[in-house]
Amino acid sequence: EAGVAQSPRYKIIEKRQSVAFWCNPISGHATLYWYQQILGQGPKLLIQFQNNGVVDDSQLPKDRFSAERLKGVDSTLKIQPAKLEDSAVYLCASTPDGYRAEKLFFGSGTQLSVL
Amino acid sequence: GDSVTQMEGPVTLSEEAFLTINCTYTATGYPSLFWYVQYPGEGLQLLLKATKADDKGSNKGFEATYRKETTSFHLEKGSVQVSDSAVYFCATGTYKYIFGTGTRLKVLA
Repeated sequence: EAGVAQSPRYKIIEKRQSVAFWCNPISGHATLYWYQQILGQGPKLLIQFQNNGVVDDSQLPKDRFSAERLKGVDSTLKIQPAKLEDSAVYLCASTPDGYRAEKLFFGSGTQLSVL
Repeated sequence: GDSVTQMEGPVTLSEEAFLTINCTYTATGYPSLFWYVQYPGEGLQLLLKATKADDKGSNKGFEATYRKETTSFHLEKGSVQVSDSAVYFCATGTYKYIFGTGTRLKVLA
């Protein structure tokens, strides 16, 4: 069974530029999460989708971050414009369903460096 | 809102020492509790879980018991190895998964 796919693996951009990350969850997984993990910290939930609807985006900085999950399958997370403090690993995770899931299946992440 | 508090690291132990990493949580409803591990250069992976009060999760010699009365889920291992060196994250989940800040463990030979 294929795992959660993310791309790109690494990205280096200048501040004020825009960047997009892509995630393809495990086939059939209804719930998709985007987390931000800053070096030395735990993953912070940015947004959670159930199929193509948003369940929680309370910690998403909506003035610069946006995410979509059209057709309830793959998802993109965009940052525009990027700031230095956005340097982090962006993790995508999925589960078959959202409530009391057995575990999160994580992708390998996208490491973003903003210069 | 839901939250997880873990003991701060780093924790440095000699091989074969006893390990405890404390974790307490606040959550609405009846969350499942998890420990995830991140080995150097690798992604997050589930170490163990417990889904209801008094359940004990175990894997690779690690154990943690879901204590509802103290809202705790402390991670323990009787004899650590150098290969256990990693960052350990406690997490709580109902429909929303919240992670602690992580505790780095370094085991010396």
